[in-house]
Amino acid sequence: QKEVEQDPGPLSVPEGAIVSLNCTYSNSAFQYFMWYRQYSRKGPELLMYTYSSGNKEDGRFTAQVDKSSKYISLFIRDSQPSDSATYLCAGSGDYKLSFGAGTTVTVRA
Amino acid sequence: NAGVTQTPKFQVLKTGQSMTLQCAQDMNHNSMYWYRQDPGMGLRLIYYSASEGTTDKGEVPNGYNVSRLNKREFSLRLESAAPSQTSVYFCASRQGAGTEAFFGQGTRLTVV
Repeated sequence: QKEVEQDPGPLSVPEGAIVSLNCTYSNSAFQYFMWYRQYSRKGPELLMYTYSSGNKEDGRFTAQVDKSSKYISLFIRDSQPSDSATYLCAGSGDYKLSFGAGTTVTVRA
Repeated sequence: NAGVTQTPKFQVLKTGQSMTLQCAQDMNHNSMYWYRQDPGMGLRLIYYSASEGTTDKGEVPNGYNVSRLNKREFSLRLESAAPSQTSVYFCASRQGAGTEAFFGQGTRLTVV
């Protein structure tokens, strides 16, 4: 069983909609959580970084972590066609960094 | 600032051939990682190096070896390539535990 589970989608939404992405994890030692965005044929780029439980907001992006339920979320408000990409969640407790399968999102103009 | 640089970008190998994938970072990071990415599987950790002089197995280490040449460089070697090793390989680095990781642009490897 993977340490981080993520629904691969795909997810298709109209422009301006809210995109909601979720992951669950099994490793209780995870303290650090990340969301990466990956465009086709490119390397992943860091989108959001959070420590422990709570919310973090950066522009149109909000990351949430609920350690009690081992649940990680990413919300994208006012989605744009340029947000079309694969989004990967990740968790880390020490030096190992474990990723979910990634969710492919398409924002339709 | 180049960040994480991987070479080569593309490679085609015949079954049984060997090759080394190179990775270098210029951010003075302590930890470096090798992942493979296959459709529907996300990023799976092959090996990592927490600091110079140490290496550890990840989720899928079989068929691979690594060398942490110095603080900047971390190479991945396929001794006898198999079609199952056809994948996109990513190198990443981070300052240490609890910090964000930065990725290279990937190496697309096809084994025929």
